[in-house]
Amino acid sequence: NAGVTQTPKFQVLKTGQSMTLQCAQDMNHEYMSWYRQDPGMGLRLIHYSVGAGITDQGEVPNGYNVSRSTTEDFPLRLLSAAPSQTSVYFCASSYSKTVLSGANVLTFGAGSRLTVL
Amino acid sequence: AQKITQTQPGMFVQEKEAVTLDCTYDTSDPSYGLFWYKQPSSGEMIFLIYQGSYDQQNATEGRYSLNFQKARKSANLVISASQLGDSAMYFCAMREVGYQLIWGAGTKLIIKP
Repeated sequence: NAGVTQTPKFQVLKTGQSMTLQCAQDMNHEYMSWYRQDPGMGLRLIHYSVGAGITDQGEVPNGYNVSRSTTEDFPLRLLSAAPSQTSVYFCASSYSKTVLSGANVLTFGAGSRLTVL
Repeated sequence: AQKITQTQPGMFVQEKEAVTLDCTYDTSDPSYGLFWYKQPSSGEMIFLIYQGSYDQQNATEGRYSLNFQKARKSANLVISASQLGDSAMYFCAMREVGYQLIWGAGTKLIIKP
């Protein structure tokens, strides 16, 4: 089982450039999400999806776009990169957004470290 | 308002000692779940343990146990017989019914040989 696969692992961008972080899961999970992790701030939710064709904003959505055309894929697009978007990005999935169960835990990708100069 | 608080930004513990990592939460919903994740220096997020608000017993998973005190709204992670490989960031998170996971800021645990 591959679980959640994120690419690329590392990326350096210049201010104003755009890019897409890829995320794919092979667990048939309904729920997928993108987080950013900054030092001392834990994880902050950027966008999430509860199924193909359905996306919604999280806590810090500005500057990012997402789409969910298939159950498996949930790419995150940076439209015009800014130094404030320098961070580690995690894609995570679970079978449900809201079910309270020890079986419904987020499975994370390995993370993507993005630096914007 | 901060819903998840981890009051220990960093901890040093001697190898083989037990460790308690603190987590307090705030909710008025009677139904919620609490999660602990480990993030080693390699960066991946690893799920450790889950406690449901209606679970009668404290959750345990191998060397990990959750000291769940509902009235005090605390969900401390206990690691027994710590090992060097336990050195990592540890995050507490809470999910209320219908809502997203909320994360604490984390505790950096360093195990000394």
